[in-house]
Amino acid sequence: DVKVTQSSRYLVKRTGEKVFLECVQDMDHENMFWYRQDPGLGLRLIYFSYDVKMKEKGDIPEGYSVSREKKERFSLILESASTNQTSMYLCASSFLSGDEQYFGPGTRLTVT
Amino acid sequence: EDKVVQSPLSLVVHEGDTVTLNCSYEVTNFRSLLWYKQEKKAPTFLFMLTSSGIEKKSGRLSSILDKKELFSILNITATQTGDSAVYLCAVNKGTSYGKLTFGQGTILTVHP
Repeated sequence: DVKVTQSSRYLVKRTGEKVFLECVQDMDHENMFWYRQDPGLGLRLIYFSYDVKMKEKGDIPEGYSVSREKKERFSLILESASTNQTSMYLCASSFLSGDEQYFGPGTRLTVT
Repeated sequence: EDKVVQSPLSLVVHEGDTVTLNCSYEVTNFRSLLWYKQEKKAPTFLFMLTSSGIEKKSGRLSSILDKKELFSILNITATQTGDSAVYLCAVNKGTSYGKLTFGQGTILTVHP
């Protein structure tokens, strides 16, 4: 059974803080993804990675960076959190040429 | 620009009703369309559709794809309160690394 875990379910940070969101998958998937989910906007892709140390920008990368040092772990970094980054963040993974993505439970981030 | 549009955005029904959720898309290089169900946790996979006119079925849920008219529907018969969730439609373009483009989601509420 595929498992994708995220480091926190809820997080509250102050404006300007550096924020790390961690995601770990146990299925040896090549691809990993970070999305944010906002009401009325659905899931929007921030960054994705198809291999260790490889990353590509998604649709809304501004204000975010990522790190993938090990195959199973993909981190999302907010260098200087802002209130407009308050959102639900979802991590997902898939096989390299797979269609189905497997999601983690999400991290609800509030920036005050 | 690639687009996936779901309708309605929200729906309230009573137990026992039948509902139809819609997903239309405009993407280049279509490969597959996926449906997910999201309760207050990770989205879970429901169906993947690649061919027109072939219905996928799982219990009270079914889905079909029309590649000529560029849409899919998700039907739920004899709804139950446990069907209350956000239903997400996503399209895989078959280009880089399994990226999915999501619609806004449909919020389904089933009252007893």
